[in-house]
Amino acid sequence: NAGVMQNPRHLVRRRGQEARLRCSPMKGHSHVYWYRQLPEEGLKFMVYLQKENIIDESGMPKERFSAEFPKEGPSILRIQQVVRGDSAAYFCASSSPLAAFTDTQYFGPGTRLTVL
Amino acid sequence: AQSVTQPDIHITVSEGASLELRCNYSYGATPYLFWYVQSPGQGLQLLLKYFSGDTLVQGIKGFEAEFKRSQSSFNLRKPSVHWSDAAEYFCAVGNNAGNMLTFGGGTRLMVKP
Repeated sequence: NAGVMQNPRHLVRRRGQEARLRCSPMKGHSHVYWYRQLPEEGLKFMVYLQKENIIDESGMPKERFSAEFPKEGPSILRIQQVVRGDSAAYFCASSSPLAAFTDTQYFGPGTRLTVL
Repeated sequence: AQSVTQPDIHITVSEGASLELRCNYSYGATPYLFWYVQSPGQGLQLLLKYFSGDTLVQGIKGFEAEFKRSQSSFNLRKPSVHWSDAAEYFCAVGNNAGNMLTFGGGTRLMVKP
């Protein structure tokens, strides 16, 4: 049973370009979460999605960042017009819908974004 | 708002010695508590979790943690550390809706031979 998949594992962008990060949840999981880890810091919650719905985006920056989880395909975190401060590791996690209040989030290996 | 504090940024222990990593949380209701481990360049692996019941929780790799409501703590312990335990450890608290984890800043563990 494959775990949470993220790609690419490493992404380099120049300032002003767009970054697209993909996350495929574990089989049977329909809840997806995105977290950002800045250098030398812990993870910070960004957004929680279910299929075709954004449930909680309280941690998302108001501009340039967006996320989606379409009916088919992976979840996408999109960063437009990247700046150096966006350089970080972005982690995706997924959980099962069967026990939403107590279920564990399983994390992917992360995408390390570097903005030149 | 929920928060998690891990007071020790770095800890160094000798192989075979015991380990305790501290975690203090702030949360208004009964917390859901987690410990994750992150090896360099890798994602997070769940070590153990506490939702309710027995306050002493057993996890993988020989780790355990004890929930102490009176102290708002959830410290991670291991009786004998192995060199492969060197990694960064994160404590996290989940909200009631189960949709957001708040992480502490992490404790980096180094193991001396």
